[in-house]
Amino acid sequence: DAMVIQNPRYQVTQFGKPVTLSCSQTLNHNVMYWYQQKSSQAPKLLFHYYDKDFNNEADTPDNFQSRRPNTSFCFLDIRSPGLGDAAMYLCATSRGRGLYNEQFFGPGTRLTVL
Amino acid sequence: GEDVEQSLFLSVREGDSSVINCTYTDSSSTYLYWYKQEPGAGLQLLTYIFSNMDMKQDQRLTVLLNKKDKHLSLRIADTQTGDSAIYFCAETSNNNDMRFGAGTRLTVKP
Repeated sequence: DAMVIQNPRYQVTQFGKPVTLSCSQTLNHNVMYWYQQKSSQAPKLLFHYYDKDFNNEADTPDNFQSRRPNTSFCFLDIRSPGLGDAAMYLCATSRGRGLYNEQFFGPGTRLTVL
Repeated sequence: GEDVEQSLFLSVREGDSSVINCTYTDSSSTYLYWYKQEPGAGLQLLTYIFSNMDMKQDQRLTVLLNKKDKHLSLRIADTQTGDSAIYFCAETSNNNDMRFGAGTRLTVKP
């Protein structure tokens, strides 16, 4: 089945220690998104790629970076995680942007910062 | 900025109907969505409605859209314990990204 896969499902890191979260998709979608979701809050868009074009949200901290080496994979790098970065990180994909852009979500990676 | 708002909690008894409400402010919203998130999982698209529709039914789910009042609702008939989850309303318009509400936590009591 076509899907959005996130690895690992649970990640524990230490304060200040760089961490990378992974997302892959078999949908061949052009757009890949990274969201941060804290408890009882709406998912917050960090950035997205449309093909190779990177689009950062204005309020995304510099501590968060992303890479998309090919259509299938997208990575979220947190350079120096702080306690406030503990959250669920959701990856999503869509065929395109515009009038109809249903997003397909992965199961998420729950990040704990010690 | 434009907002999507939902009440945070809803509790119903098994077998009753649940109605989850959502309001939005962007009058150019084109598609409106309902996503379901079970504990520890990602978001699962339940249903969506295009802004030129006022109702959509899919098995136990009924979506009602009042475009004049910018009000969207999701009705779940014969609610089951497996329906316990957080339900997110979301909207998108043209090239805008998807905007989510904060989610309504539905608790179904036996």
